[in-house]
Amino acid sequence: ETGVTQTPRHLVMGMTNKKSLKCEQHLGHNAMYWYKQSAKKPLELMFVYSLEERVENNSVPSRFSPECPNSSHLFLHLHTLQPEDSALYLCASSQAPNRGRNTEAFFGQGTRLTVV
Amino acid sequence: KNEVEQSPQNLTAQEGEFITINCSYSVGISALHWLQQHPGGGIVSLFMLSSGKKKHGRLIATINIQEKHSSLHITASHPRDSAVYICAVRGGSEKLVFGKGTKLTVNP
Repeated sequence: ETGVTQTPRHLVMGMTNKKSLKCEQHLGHNAMYWYKQSAKKPLELMFVYSLEERVENNSVPSRFSPECPNSSHLFLHLHTLQPEDSALYLCASSQAPNRGRNTEAFFGQGTRLTVV
Repeated sequence: KNEVEQSPQNLTAQEGEFITINCSYSVGISALHWLQQHPGGGIVSLFMLSSGKKKHGRLIATINIQEKHSSLHITASHPRDSAVYICAVRGGSEKLVFGKGTKLTVNP
């Protein structure tokens, strides 16, 4: 148990569906992250929320839409996805990185997404 | 070329063997992380290093800042150590950059 909880663990959705992934952390962290892990590729950072403001959006397609209503909760809204979006989506949290301060990231168990 | 390179990509060992996984990076960093990803996908942070060496039980992590290299060692390996081990570095942008991981299988 890392203190970061993701739901659902598994999700199968059609290309016309709308679904949301949820992440919750109970560690008192003020930064949360969405990562995508595709087969045989490194983890890819999708979104960062630091102090509840989105600070990075690494050119992720608009069919992925993050929402961070407070420092403990993070959502990833999914809309009209493609089969190539099938992957493991991981949420993580940490204290907001500041130069000179090392922070440790804690990860959720991930949501295994299959787009059919 | 990925900024973080791990070797080997795959490693199979017999129970009890001493294991070393290597990580090289090409950027200046403020910290290096070793992560363990279980078959179900969950990730656990093993170490966070900025210099020297750390030890937790049978796991040892070392880092050489000058050579931009880190190693993760497992002593007396056990089948439950089977997992993917991921090296990640926090660079100047404060983002975490990940290696592709090393898949370790320890056979009984």
